[in-house]
Amino acid sequence: LAKTTQPISMDSYEGQEVNITCSHNNIATNDYITWYQQFPSQGPRFIIQGYKTKVTNEVASLFIPADRKSSTLSLPRVSLSDTAVYYCLVAESNQGGKLIFGQGTELSVKP
Amino acid sequence: GAVVSQHPSWVICKSGTSVKIECRSLDFQATTMFWYRQFPKQSLMLMATSNEGSKATYEQGVEKDKFLINHASLTLSTLTVTSAHPEDSSFYICSARHGARGLNQPQHFGDGTRLSIL
Repeated sequence: LAKTTQPISMDSYEGQEVNITCSHNNIATNDYITWYQQFPSQGPRFIIQGYKTKVTNEVASLFIPADRKSSTLSLPRVSLSDTAVYYCLVAESNQGGKLIFGQGTELSVKP
Repeated sequence: GAVVSQHPSWVICKSGTSVKIECRSLDFQATTMFWYRQFPKQSLMLMATSNEGSKATYEQGVEKDKFLINHASLTLSTLTVTSAHPEDSSFYICSARHGARGLNQPQHFGDGTRLSIL
Protein backbone atom coordinates (compact mmCIF):
# COMPACT_ATOMS: atom_id res chain seq x y z
CA LEU A 1 0.00 0.00 0.00
CA ALA A 2 1.21 3.49 -0.84
CA LYS A 3 0.78 4.92 2.63
CA THR A 4 1.16 8.67 2.94
CA THR A 5 2.59 10.65 5.83
CA GLN A 6 2.06 14.36 6.36
CA PRO A 7 2.23 16.79 9.31
CA ILE A 8 -0.76 16.65 11.61
CA SER A 9 -1.16 20.40 11.78
CA MET A 10 0.24 23.68 10.49
CA ASP A 11 -0.35 27.29 11.36
CA SER A 12 -0.06 30.23 9.00
CA TYR A 13 -1.11 33.84 8.62
CA GLU A 14 -3.16 35.47 5.94
CA GLY A 15 -1.22 36.36 2.83
CA GLN A 16 1.56 33.85 3.43
CA GLU A 17 2.50 30.98 1.16
CA VAL A 18 1.90 27.59 2.74
CA ASN A 19 3.76 24.45 1.74
CA ILE A 20 2.55 21.07 2.96
CA THR A 21 4.86 18.14 2.30
CA CYS A 22 3.73 14.56 2.07
CA SER A 23 5.85 11.42 1.91
CA HIS A 24 4.78 8.34 -0.04
CA ASN A 25 7.81 6.09 -0.08
CA ASN A 26 6.02 3.07 -1.53
CA ILE A 27 4.35 4.78 -4.47
CA ALA A 28 3.99 2.49 -7.47
CA THR A 29 5.07 3.33 -11.00
CA ASN A 30 1.56 4.00 -12.28
CA ASP A 31 0.23 5.86 -9.24
CA TYR A 32 -0.73 9.52 -9.28
CA ILE A 33 -0.67 11.88 -6.30
CA THR A 34 -3.84 13.75 -5.47
CA TRP A 35 -4.57 16.41 -2.88
CA TYR A 36 -7.96 17.17 -1.38
CA GLN A 37 -9.29 19.86 0.95
CA GLN A 38 -12.02 19.18 3.48
CA PHE A 39 -14.08 21.61 5.53
CA PRO A 40 -16.09 20.41 8.54
CA SER A 41 -19.27 18.54 7.63
CA GLN A 42 -18.44 18.56 3.92
CA GLY A 43 -17.00 16.03 1.54
CA PRO A 44 -13.40 16.40 0.38
CA ARG A 45 -12.85 18.75 -2.52
CA PHE A 46 -10.30 18.01 -5.24
CA ILE A 47 -7.42 20.50 -5.33
CA ILE A 48 -4.76 19.15 -7.64
CA GLN A 49 -3.26 15.99 -9.06
CA GLY A 50 0.14 15.18 -10.50
CA TYR A 51 2.49 12.42 -11.57
CA LYS A 52 5.89 14.10 -11.67
CA THR A 53 7.66 17.48 -11.73
CA LYS A 54 5.33 20.43 -11.26
CA VAL A 55 1.64 20.98 -11.78
CA THR A 56 -0.11 24.30 -11.32
CA ASN A 57 -3.75 25.30 -11.45
CA GLU A 58 -5.72 28.31 -10.36
CA VAL A 59 -5.60 27.46 -6.66
CA ALA A 60 -2.38 25.57 -5.97
CA SER A 61 0.88 24.11 -7.20
CA LEU A 62 2.14 20.60 -6.70
CA PHE A 63 5.84 19.82 -6.70
CA ILE A 64 6.98 16.23 -7.15
CA PRO A 65 10.69 15.32 -7.15
CA ALA A 66 12.16 12.85 -9.59
CA ASP A 67 12.01 9.91 -7.17
CA ARG A 68 8.30 10.64 -6.53
CA LYS A 69 8.64 9.56 -2.89
CA SER A 70 7.27 12.86 -1.69
CA SER A 71 5.22 15.78 -2.90
CA THR A 72 4.61 19.33 -1.75
CA LEU A 73 1.34 21.19 -2.04
CA SER A 74 1.88 24.94 -2.28
CA LEU A 75 -0.93 27.35 -1.51
CA PRO A 76 -0.06 30.91 -2.51
CA ARG A 77 -1.21 33.78 -0.29
CA VAL A 78 -3.61 31.88 1.96
CA SER A 79 -6.72 33.47 3.41
CA LEU A 80 -8.84 32.63 6.44
CA SER A 81 -11.11 30.55 4.22
CA ASP A 82 -8.23 28.18 3.49
CA THR A 83 -8.45 26.88 7.05
CA ALA A 84 -9.27 23.22 6.49
CA VAL A 85 -7.85 19.71 6.53
CA TYR A 86 -5.67 18.81 3.55
CA TYR A 87 -5.21 15.22 2.47
CA CYS A 88 -2.44 13.82 0.33
CA LEU A 89 -3.50 10.61 -1.40
CA VAL A 90 -2.11 8.04 -3.76
CA ALA A 91 -4.68 6.06 -5.70
CA GLU A 92 -4.06 2.33 -5.48
CA SER A 93 -3.76 1.64 -9.20
CA ASN A 94 -3.46 -2.10 -8.60
CA GLN A 95 -6.56 -2.10 -6.42
CA GLY A 96 -9.08 -0.37 -8.61
CA GLY A 97 -7.89 3.12 -7.85
CA LYS A 98 -9.25 3.19 -4.32
CA LEU A 99 -8.05 5.88 -1.92
CA ILE A 100 -6.89 5.18 1.61
CA PHE A 101 -7.02 8.37 3.64
CA GLY A 102 -4.33 9.17 6.16
CA GLN A 103 -4.76 11.63 8.99
CA GLY A 104 -4.40 14.74 6.84
CA THR A 105 -2.92 18.11 7.77
CA GLU A 106 -5.09 20.53 9.68
CA LEU A 107 -4.16 23.99 8.41
CA SER A 108 -5.11 26.94 10.54
CA VAL A 109 -4.85 30.38 8.94
CA LYS A 110 -4.85 33.30 11.35
CA PRO A 111 -5.50 36.97 10.67
CA GLY B 1 -16.77 20.30 -13.31
CA ALA B 2 -17.69 16.86 -12.06
CA VAL B 3 -20.50 16.93 -9.54
CA VAL B 4 -21.53 14.22 -7.11
CA SER B 5 -24.75 14.59 -5.18
CA GLN B 6 -25.73 12.81 -2.00
CA HIS B 7 -29.20 12.54 -0.53
CA PRO B 8 -30.28 13.03 2.15
CA SER B 9 -27.73 15.39 3.64
CA TRP B 10 -28.99 14.75 7.14
CA VAL B 11 -31.18 12.10 8.73
CA ILE B 12 -32.27 11.25 12.24
CA CYS B 13 -34.07 8.00 12.93
CA LYS B 14 -34.88 5.53 15.65
CA SER B 15 -32.75 2.54 16.48
CA GLY B 16 -33.68 -0.48 14.39
CA THR B 17 -34.62 1.54 11.32
CA SER B 18 -33.01 0.97 7.95
CA VAL B 19 -31.72 4.05 6.19
CA LYS B 20 -30.92 4.45 2.49
CA ILE B 21 -28.42 7.00 1.23
CA GLU B 22 -28.18 7.87 -2.46
CA CYS B 23 -25.10 8.94 -4.36
CA ARG B 24 -25.46 10.33 -7.87
CA SER B 25 -22.94 11.47 -10.41
CA LEU B 26 -24.73 14.37 -12.08
CA ASP B 27 -22.70 15.08 -15.18
CA PHE B 28 -20.66 11.97 -15.83
CA GLN B 29 -20.98 8.22 -15.82
CA ALA B 30 -19.30 6.45 -12.93
CA THR B 31 -18.60 2.75 -13.25
CA THR B 32 -17.03 2.85 -9.81
CA MET B 33 -18.21 4.63 -6.69
CA PHE B 34 -16.79 4.47 -3.21
CA TRP B 35 -18.40 4.74 0.21
CA TYR B 36 -16.62 6.19 3.23
CA ARG B 37 -17.47 6.79 6.85
CA GLN B 38 -16.03 9.56 8.98
CA PHE B 39 -16.29 9.95 12.72
CA PRO B 40 -15.74 13.33 14.40
CA LYS B 41 -12.15 14.55 14.33
CA GLN B 42 -11.08 11.50 12.34
CA SER B 43 -10.15 10.83 8.76
CA LEU B 44 -12.32 9.16 6.14
CA MET B 45 -12.44 5.39 6.32
CA LEU B 46 -13.14 3.48 3.13
CA MET B 47 -16.04 1.09 3.60
CA ALA B 48 -16.55 -0.40 0.16
CA THR B 49 -16.07 -0.06 -3.56
CA SER B 50 -19.26 -0.07 -5.57
CA ASN B 51 -19.06 -1.38 -9.11
CA GLU B 52 -21.88 -0.85 -11.58
CA GLY B 53 -23.66 -4.09 -12.35
CA SER B 54 -21.69 -6.24 -9.91
CA LYS B 55 -21.31 -6.88 -6.22
CA ALA B 56 -19.58 -4.35 -4.05
CA THR B 57 -16.16 -5.03 -2.60
CA TYR B 58 -16.07 -4.42 1.14
CA GLU B 59 -13.05 -3.45 3.18
CA GLN B 60 -11.94 -5.70 5.98
CA GLY B 61 -14.09 -5.33 9.06
CA VAL B 62 -17.09 -3.84 7.25
CA GLU B 63 -20.22 -5.99 7.51
CA LYS B 64 -21.71 -6.44 4.06
CA ASP B 65 -25.05 -7.52 5.48
CA LYS B 66 -25.16 -4.40 7.62
CA PHE B 67 -24.20 -1.97 4.88
CA LEU B 68 -25.96 -2.96 1.68
CA ILE B 69 -24.65 -1.36 -1.49
CA ASN B 70 -26.41 -1.30 -4.82
CA HIS B 71 -24.96 0.25 -7.97
CA ALA B 72 -27.68 -0.39 -10.49
CA SER B 73 -26.81 2.33 -12.99
CA LEU B 74 -23.82 4.34 -14.13
CA THR B 75 -24.99 7.38 -12.20
CA LEU B 76 -26.44 5.98 -8.98
CA SER B 77 -25.16 3.99 -6.04
CA THR B 78 -27.07 3.48 -2.82
CA LEU B 79 -25.92 2.56 0.66
CA THR B 80 -28.49 1.08 3.02
CA VAL B 81 -27.65 0.91 6.70
CA THR B 82 -29.82 -1.94 7.89
CA SER B 83 -31.25 -2.08 11.41
CA ALA B 84 -29.23 0.97 12.39
CA HIS B 85 -28.08 1.43 15.96
CA PRO B 86 -26.54 4.42 17.73
CA GLU B 87 -23.03 3.19 17.01
CA ASP B 88 -23.80 3.53 13.29
CA SER B 89 -24.21 7.28 13.73
CA SER B 90 -21.58 8.88 11.56
CA PHE B 91 -20.89 11.02 8.51
CA TYR B 92 -21.19 8.93 5.36
CA ILE B 93 -19.54 10.19 2.19
CA CYS B 94 -19.54 8.80 -1.32
CA SER B 95 -17.24 9.46 -4.22
CA ALA B 96 -17.31 8.68 -7.91
CA ARG B 97 -14.73 8.40 -10.62
CA HIS B 98 -15.33 9.05 -14.29
CA GLY B 99 -15.83 5.67 -15.89
CA ALA B 100 -14.03 6.08 -19.16
CA ARG B 101 -10.90 7.91 -18.09
CA GLY B 102 -8.85 5.34 -16.21
CA LEU B 103 -8.02 4.52 -12.64
CA ASN B 104 -5.90 7.59 -12.06
CA GLN B 105 -8.72 10.04 -12.64
CA PRO B 106 -9.47 11.92 -9.41
CA GLN B 107 -12.44 10.90 -7.38
CA HIS B 108 -15.15 13.49 -6.85
CA PHE B 109 -16.92 13.49 -3.52
CA GLY B 110 -20.44 14.18 -2.42
CA ASP B 111 -21.12 16.50 0.48
CA GLY B 112 -21.89 13.67 2.85
CA THR B 113 -24.85 12.43 4.85
CA ARG B 114 -25.00 13.01 8.57
CA LEU B 115 -26.72 9.98 10.11
CA SER B 116 -27.90 10.15 13.71
CA ILE B 117 -29.52 7.11 15.29
CA LEU B 118 -31.45 7.70 18.49
